[in-house]
Amino acid sequence: DVVMTQSPLSLSVTPGQPASVSCRSTQSPIHSDGNTYLSWFQQRPGQSPRRLIYKVSDRDSGVPDRFSGSGSGTDFTLKISRVEADDIGVYYCMQGKFWPHTFGQGTKLEI
Amino acid sequence: EVRLVESGGGLVHPGGSVRLSCVVSGFTFNRSWTSWLRQTPGRGLEWVANINHDGSEKYYVDSVKGRFIISRDNAKNSLYLQMNSLRAEDTAVYFCGRDPGWGAVDYWGQGTLVTVSS
Repeated sequence: DVVMTQSPLSLSVTPGQPASVSCRSTQSPIHSDGNTYLSWFQQRPGQSPRRLIYKVSDRDSGVPDRFSGSGSGTDFTLKISRVEADDIGVYYCMQGKFWPHTFGQGTKLEI
Repeated sequence: EVRLVESGGGLVHPGGSVRLSCVVSGFTFNRSWTSWLRQTPGRGLEWVANINHDGSEKYYVDSVKGRFIISRDNAKNSLYLQMNSLRAEDTAVYFCGRDPGWGAVDYWGQGTLVTVSS
Protein backbone atom coordinates (compact mmCIF):
# COMPACT_ATOMS: atom_id res chain seq x y z
CA ASP A 1 0.00 0.00 0.00
CA VAL A 2 1.04 3.60 -0.55
CA VAL A 3 2.31 5.11 2.68
CA MET A 4 1.52 8.73 3.44
CA THR A 5 3.87 10.34 5.94
CA GLN A 6 2.96 13.62 7.58
CA SER A 7 5.13 16.03 9.51
CA PRO A 8 5.04 17.37 12.06
CA LEU A 9 2.66 15.11 13.99
CA SER A 10 1.75 17.98 16.28
CA LEU A 11 1.83 21.71 15.90
CA SER A 12 1.24 24.46 18.45
CA VAL A 13 0.51 27.81 16.87
CA THR A 14 -0.32 31.27 18.18
CA PRO A 15 -3.50 32.75 16.69
CA GLY A 16 -2.71 34.93 13.72
CA GLN A 17 0.46 33.01 12.91
CA PRO A 18 0.88 30.69 9.92
CA ALA A 19 0.99 26.92 10.06
CA SER A 20 2.18 24.33 7.59
CA VAL A 21 1.75 20.55 7.35
CA SER A 22 3.85 18.42 5.08
CA CYS A 23 2.76 15.15 3.47
CA ARG A 24 4.97 12.76 1.54
CA SER A 25 3.77 9.70 -0.38
CA THR A 26 5.75 6.59 -1.29
CA GLN A 27 4.23 6.69 -4.77
CA SER A 28 3.05 9.71 -6.71
CA PRO A 29 -0.72 10.18 -6.80
CA ILE A 30 -0.48 11.69 -10.28
CA HIS A 31 -2.92 9.98 -12.63
CA SER A 32 -2.54 9.58 -16.37
CA ASP A 33 -5.58 11.85 -16.73
CA GLY A 34 -3.39 14.70 -15.56
CA ASN A 35 -4.93 15.05 -12.13
CA THR A 36 -3.15 14.49 -8.84
CA TYR A 37 -5.46 12.80 -6.38
CA LEU A 38 -4.29 14.22 -3.10
CA SER A 39 -6.80 15.53 -0.58
CA TRP A 40 -6.67 17.18 2.84
CA PHE A 41 -9.18 16.65 5.63
CA GLN A 42 -9.78 18.41 8.92
CA GLN A 43 -11.21 16.59 11.92
CA ARG A 44 -12.29 18.80 14.78
CA PRO A 45 -12.60 17.24 18.24
CA GLY A 46 -15.63 14.97 18.44
CA GLN A 47 -16.55 15.43 14.78
CA SER A 48 -16.29 13.47 11.57
CA PRO A 49 -13.59 14.38 9.08
CA ARG A 50 -14.34 17.25 6.72
CA ARG A 51 -12.75 17.64 3.32
CA LEU A 52 -10.86 20.92 2.90
CA ILE A 53 -8.83 20.46 -0.28
CA TYR A 54 -8.96 18.01 -3.20
CA LYS A 55 -6.72 17.48 -6.21
CA VAL A 56 -3.84 19.13 -4.33
CA SER A 57 -5.11 22.69 -4.33
CA ASP A 58 -8.86 22.88 -5.03
CA ARG A 59 -10.51 24.34 -1.95
CA ASP A 60 -13.96 23.13 -0.93
CA SER A 61 -16.89 25.49 -0.81
CA GLY A 62 -17.09 27.19 2.57
CA VAL A 63 -13.44 26.60 3.40
CA PRO A 64 -11.74 29.89 4.27
CA ASP A 65 -9.12 31.08 1.82
CA ARG A 66 -6.66 31.01 4.72
CA PHE A 67 -6.30 27.34 3.80
CA SER A 68 -4.28 26.42 0.74
CA GLY A 69 -2.79 23.27 -0.69
CA SER A 70 0.24 22.88 -2.89
CA GLY A 71 2.79 20.37 -4.03
CA SER A 72 3.66 17.96 -6.78
CA GLY A 73 5.13 14.54 -7.33
CA THR A 74 5.31 12.97 -3.89
CA ASP A 75 5.54 16.07 -1.69
CA PHE A 76 2.53 18.12 -0.66
CA THR A 77 1.78 20.90 1.80
CA LEU A 78 -1.26 22.29 3.56
CA LYS A 79 -0.82 25.88 4.70
CA ILE A 80 -2.95 27.99 6.98
CA SER A 81 -1.98 31.61 6.47
CA ARG A 82 -3.35 32.89 9.80
CA VAL A 83 -4.43 30.31 12.34
CA GLU A 84 -7.67 30.91 14.22
CA ALA A 85 -8.98 29.19 17.34
CA ASP A 86 -11.57 27.36 15.23
CA ASP A 87 -8.79 25.57 13.34
CA ILE A 88 -7.91 23.22 16.20
CA GLY A 89 -8.13 19.56 15.31
CA VAL A 90 -6.28 16.91 13.36
CA TYR A 91 -5.37 17.32 9.70
CA TYR A 92 -4.97 14.36 7.36
CA CYS A 93 -3.67 14.03 3.83
CA MET A 94 -4.96 11.20 1.65
CA GLN A 95 -4.02 9.75 -1.71
CA GLY A 96 -6.85 8.59 -3.94
CA LYS A 97 -5.01 7.24 -6.96
CA PHE A 98 -4.12 3.79 -5.65
CA TRP A 99 -6.42 1.29 -3.95
CA PRO A 100 -6.61 1.14 -1.07
CA HIS A 101 -6.70 4.88 -0.72
CA THR A 102 -4.49 5.75 2.23
CA PHE A 103 -4.32 8.49 4.83
CA GLY A 104 -1.41 10.06 6.63
CA GLN A 105 -1.12 9.60 10.39
CA GLY A 106 -2.59 13.00 11.09
CA THR A 107 -1.17 16.27 12.39
CA LYS A 108 -2.70 17.66 15.56
CA LEU A 109 -3.01 21.43 15.56
CA GLU A 110 -3.21 23.14 18.93
CA ILE A 111 -3.54 26.78 19.72
CA GLU B 1 -29.08 19.41 3.37
CA VAL B 2 -26.91 16.33 2.93
CA ARG B 3 -27.21 13.71 5.66
CA LEU B 4 -25.62 10.30 6.11
CA VAL B 5 -26.76 8.44 9.20
CA GLU B 6 -25.04 5.23 10.26
CA SER B 7 -26.51 2.65 12.59
CA GLY B 8 -25.89 -0.91 13.70
CA GLY B 9 -22.76 -0.58 15.77
CA GLY B 10 -22.32 -2.08 19.20
CA LEU B 11 -20.51 -4.78 21.15
CA VAL B 12 -19.83 -8.01 19.26
CA HIS B 13 -17.96 -11.14 20.31
CA PRO B 14 -14.89 -12.24 18.34
CA GLY B 15 -16.01 -14.38 15.44
CA GLY B 16 -19.42 -12.75 15.45
CA SER B 17 -21.24 -10.70 12.85
CA VAL B 18 -22.88 -7.31 12.59
CA ARG B 19 -24.52 -5.33 9.80
CA LEU B 20 -24.01 -1.60 9.55
CA SER B 21 -26.47 0.61 7.71
CA CYS B 22 -26.14 4.11 6.34
CA VAL B 23 -29.21 6.03 5.21
CA VAL B 24 -28.51 8.92 2.89
CA SER B 25 -30.45 12.04 1.93
CA GLY B 26 -29.70 15.30 0.17
CA PHE B 27 -27.83 14.01 -2.87
CA THR B 28 -28.50 11.64 -5.76
CA PHE B 29 -27.54 8.39 -4.08
CA ASN B 30 -28.07 6.20 -7.12
CA ARG B 31 -25.46 8.15 -9.07
CA SER B 32 -22.81 8.13 -6.39
CA TRP B 33 -19.93 5.94 -5.33
CA THR B 34 -20.20 5.39 -1.60
CA SER B 35 -17.74 4.09 0.92
CA TRP B 36 -17.10 2.70 4.37
CA LEU B 37 -14.08 3.96 6.27
CA ARG B 38 -13.00 3.34 9.84
CA GLN B 39 -10.95 5.06 12.49
CA THR B 40 -9.03 3.78 15.49
CA PRO B 41 -6.67 5.59 17.84
CA GLY B 42 -3.87 3.22 16.85
CA ARG B 43 -4.26 2.89 13.08
CA GLY B 44 -5.90 6.23 12.33
CA LEU B 45 -8.23 6.57 9.37
CA GLU B 46 -8.44 3.75 6.85
CA TRP B 47 -10.61 2.79 3.94
CA VAL B 48 -12.66 -0.37 4.31
CA ALA B 49 -14.71 -0.72 1.13
CA ASN B 50 -16.06 1.17 -1.84
CA ILE B 51 -19.06 0.51 -4.11
CA ASN B 52 -20.10 2.12 -7.35
CA HIS B 53 -23.48 3.63 -8.11
CA ASP B 54 -25.24 0.41 -9.07
CA GLY B 55 -23.30 -2.07 -6.97
CA SER B 56 -21.54 -3.70 -9.90
CA GLU B 57 -18.06 -2.68 -8.70
CA LYS B 58 -16.80 -3.25 -5.19
CA TYR B 59 -13.39 -2.80 -3.64
CA TYR B 60 -12.14 -3.97 -0.27
CA VAL B 61 -9.02 -3.38 1.74
CA ASP B 62 -7.07 -6.64 2.07
CA SER B 63 -7.64 -6.95 5.82
CA VAL B 64 -11.42 -7.36 5.36
CA LYS B 65 -11.59 -9.29 2.07
CA GLY B 66 -13.62 -12.46 2.43
CA ARG B 67 -15.12 -11.27 5.73
CA PHE B 68 -16.93 -8.00 4.94
CA ILE B 69 -19.50 -7.35 2.23
CA ILE B 70 -20.49 -3.89 1.03
CA SER B 71 -23.89 -3.52 -0.63
CA ARG B 72 -26.50 -0.92 -1.38
CA ASP B 73 -30.23 -0.54 -1.95
CA ASN B 74 -30.79 2.47 -4.17
CA ALA B 75 -34.56 2.27 -3.66
CA LYS B 76 -33.97 2.87 0.03
CA ASN B 77 -31.07 5.31 -0.33
CA SER B 78 -29.11 2.95 1.88
CA LEU B 79 -25.59 1.58 2.09
CA TYR B 80 -24.70 -1.52 4.10
CA LEU B 81 -21.65 -3.26 5.48
CA GLN B 82 -22.05 -6.89 6.51
CA MET B 83 -19.18 -7.70 8.84
CA ASN B 84 -18.47 -11.37 9.55
CA SER B 85 -15.77 -13.28 11.41
CA LEU B 86 -15.03 -10.18 13.42
CA ARG B 87 -11.69 -9.74 15.14
CA ALA B 88 -10.51 -7.47 17.92
CA GLU B 89 -8.64 -5.39 15.35
CA ASP B 90 -11.94 -4.55 13.63
CA THR B 91 -12.86 -2.45 16.66
CA ALA B 92 -13.28 1.07 15.30
CA VAL B 93 -15.63 3.91 14.55
CA TYR B 94 -17.10 3.18 11.11
CA PHE B 95 -18.04 6.05 8.81
CA CYS B 96 -20.01 5.99 5.60
CA GLY B 97 -19.23 8.59 3.00
CA ARG B 98 -19.85 9.75 -0.52
CA ASP B 99 -16.88 9.44 -2.81
CA PRO B 100 -17.24 11.86 -5.75
CA GLY B 101 -14.13 10.36 -7.25
CA TRP B 102 -10.73 9.07 -6.33
CA GLY B 103 -11.32 8.89 -2.63
CA ALA B 104 -12.02 12.55 -1.99
CA VAL B 105 -14.97 11.87 0.33
CA ASP B 106 -16.99 15.07 0.50
CA TYR B 107 -19.81 13.99 2.79
CA TRP B 108 -19.35 11.89 5.92
CA GLY B 109 -21.71 10.33 8.41
CA GLN B 110 -21.31 10.84 12.14
CA GLY B 111 -19.85 7.36 12.63
CA THR B 112 -20.94 4.27 14.52
CA LEU B 113 -18.72 2.42 17.01
CA VAL B 114 -18.14 -1.30 16.63
CA THR B 115 -16.40 -2.97 19.55
CA VAL B 116 -15.20 -6.57 19.15
CA SER B 117 -14.53 -8.06 22.53
CA SER B 118 -15.38 -11.08 24.63
